[in-house]
Amino acid sequence: EDKVVQSPLSLVVHEGDTVTLNCSYEVTNFRSLLWYKQEKKAPTFLFMLTSSGIEKKSGRLSSILDKKELFSILNITATQTGDSAVYLCLTAGNKLTFGGGTRVLVKP
Amino acid sequence: KAGVTQTPRYLIKTRGQQVTLSCSPISGHRSVSWYQQTPGQGLQFLFEYFSETQRNKGNFPGRFSGRQFSNSRSEMNVSTLELGDSALYLCASSLAGGTLATNYGYTFGSGTRLTVV
Repeated sequence: EDKVVQSPLSLVVHEGDTVTLNCSYEVTNFRSLLWYKQEKKAPTFLFMLTSSGIEKKSGRLSSILDKKELFSILNITATQTGDSAVYLCLTAGNKLTFGGGTRVLVKP
Repeated sequence: KAGVTQTPRYLIKTRGQQVTLSCSPISGHRSVSWYQQTPGQGLQFLFEYFSETQRNKGNFPGRFSGRQFSNSRSEMNVSTLELGDSALYLCASSLAGGTLATNYGYTFGSGTRLTVV
């Protein structure tokens, strides 16, 4: 059975800190890994990763995939209170599997 | 362009009843997938439809069913509701379905909050 584990479960940081979120997976016929940010209801798309070692970047957020070690990292630098959310990773293999999410709280 | 629209936003049902939730995808998107989100289990995949055909299915009992219409709108039905069915039900649309869907990403709706009492 496909398995996606995110760590840590939650973390609290102060504005300006850098956070690193991890998503490890065991997925049959892995095709891609997607990161989402969920604040209230609808998760919003951040990145989609299909190739190992190629960093995707958008402003203060960046992500990279390691298909050999089966994990992905999401980095947020210079965090702001608006970054407070649950960050979800989704893997697409034979089926779609979400990790349990990491809850990030950024304090002023 | 309009996003993914889910109706109703909130719903309260009693045990044993059935419920139908609706999802209208982004115009031009042909794939709709459904997810259940609960505090204990996180986000779990229910099923995916593309061009009126179910392409993938998660590990949910047969009480959970869905369908997709020719205009790509999708409905999800849950029969004989149980207390444990209380959750946020999200749908997501994508331009393509199946193995191609992840080339385009998924756009989520705001969900339907179902409470079973």
